[in-house]
Amino acid sequence: GNSVTQMEGPVTLSEEAFLTINCTYTATGYPSLFWYVQYPGEGLQLLLKATKADDKGSNKGFEATYRKETTSFHLEKGSVQVSDSAVYFCALDFSGGYQKVTFGTGTKLQVIP
Amino acid sequence: NAGVTQTPKFQVLKTGQSMTLQCAQDMNHNSMYWYRQDPGMGLRLIYYSASEGTTDKGEVPNGYNVSRLNKREFSLRLESAAPSQTSVYFCASNIQGRSSNEQYFGPGTRLTVT
Repeated sequence: GNSVTQMEGPVTLSEEAFLTINCTYTATGYPSLFWYVQYPGEGLQLLLKATKADDKGSNKGFEATYRKETTSFHLEKGSVQVSDSAVYFCALDFSGGYQKVTFGTGTKLQVIP
Repeated sequence: NAGVTQTPKFQVLKTGQSMTLQCAQDMNHNSMYWYRQDPGMGLRLIYYSASEGTTDKGEVPNGYNVSRLNKREFSLRLESAAPSQTSVYFCASNIQGRSSNEQYFGPGTRLTVT
C-alpha cells in the first residue's frame, strides 16, 4: 500500500534559521504530493503541492521539489519566523477514482525568537 | 463563504454515551471525509463519502457510523463511546476527479471519553 514517512519531531529552530523537513513516500505509480500545515487549534490547510516529477511547489517562502528518483518531497524554507511554528504534514494521493489521501505522521516545528 | 464547519468544538462523554458530530461545507464539493488525529499517528481516515448517497469505510471505521444527509452535510455518530475514541476529529471535503485535489478541513472537534 501507499505510505508517507516524515522525520521525527519536534524540530526547534531559532528565528531566521534554515528549515528542512524530510518526507519520503512509497506508492505504486505517480501520485500527487502535498504539504499541509496545521496551526495550533486549527484544521489542516494546504501549504503547497506538486503533481508530477521535478515539479516544485512553493508558497509563503516554503518550497518542495517532487523527486521521483529518491521518492522524496522535502520541505524547505530559507529563513523561518516565529509565525511558522506549526505541525507540518506530508501527504500523497492519486487522481481519478475516489480521492483518498495518505498522510504522514506530522512534524512539529517550534521557532524561538 | 464559511468553508467547512464542524460542531461541536469540544465534547466530553462518559463511556457508553452516544453523540453525533456534525459537518457541513458550502463549497459545492462532492466528496467528504472524517478523520481522527491522535498523537504520533497523523490523520487516519474513518469514513468517506465520494458523492451524495454513498459512504465507504476508511482505515479505522469500527465504533462509528456516518450519514451523508445531502451534498452539504456529513455526520459522524458514535453509538457507544469508548475511551479509545478520545481524539480530535476532522471533517474535510474536496472535488472528486481533479488531478490535484487538495482537501479542505474544518477546525476540528476535540472529544474526550471518560
